[in-house]
Amino acid sequence: EPEVTQTPSHQVTQMGQEVILRCVPISNHLYFYWYRQILGQKVEFLVSFYNNEISEKSEIFDDQFSVERPDGSNFTLKIRSTKLEDSAMYFCASTEDRAGEAFFGQGTRLTVV
Amino acid sequence: GENVEQHPSTLSVQEGDSAVIKCTYSDSASNYFPWYKQELGKRPQLIIDIRSNVGEKKDQRIAVTLNKTAKHFSLHITETQPEDSAVYFCAATGGNQFYFGTGTSLTVIP
Repeated sequence: EPEVTQTPSHQVTQMGQEVILRCVPISNHLYFYWYRQILGQKVEFLVSFYNNEISEKSEIFDDQFSVERPDGSNFTLKIRSTKLEDSAMYFCASTEDRAGEAFFGQGTRLTVV
Repeated sequence: GENVEQHPSTLSVQEGDSAVIKCTYSDSASNYFPWYKQELGKRPQLIIDIRSNVGEKKDQRIAVTLNKTAKHFSLHITETQPEDSAVYFCAATGGNQFYFGTGTSLTVIP
């Protein structure tokens, strides 16, 4: 079964440093998402991406965040200057249709120290 | 935007009993309602979904009902087993993003 894959599985970074989280969505999917989940809390939407541009973004997705699809397979989330409160599990997801089944990656646990 | 509320936050049932988790949503434009199961430290996995043109859907021990008028949908798990223990999230979407409920931690007691 096709899967969304994310790397790294765990990233520890110092406050103020830049991090890039990487995702490879399912190959025939057209819609891509980033979500985050702070430990013990619900999954929160960050951003959606379609046709090489951001479709929608949440209040969390401020100027410190950016997304990119640098080639035909990768979808990246960059946090420019990390803060302690950015510590969370970050999930990438993709869907084939606009409101279709979302497949989630296994997540990247980001720890900012 | 959409607001999804989910109840209860925790639920304990005896093995073999049924479990029901309820969600409400606010945006009448939402038309797709998936349910995800998340085991500890793992990714959310879709277990069942329903679209707005359907009132009920069943897959073995799992069923979902949707009441569009009242804007609520429910997950029903019958004959619960210990491996059903996990956090369950409902979600709603009308297009660009999925709005998730706050999750229900289900414990099935053997």
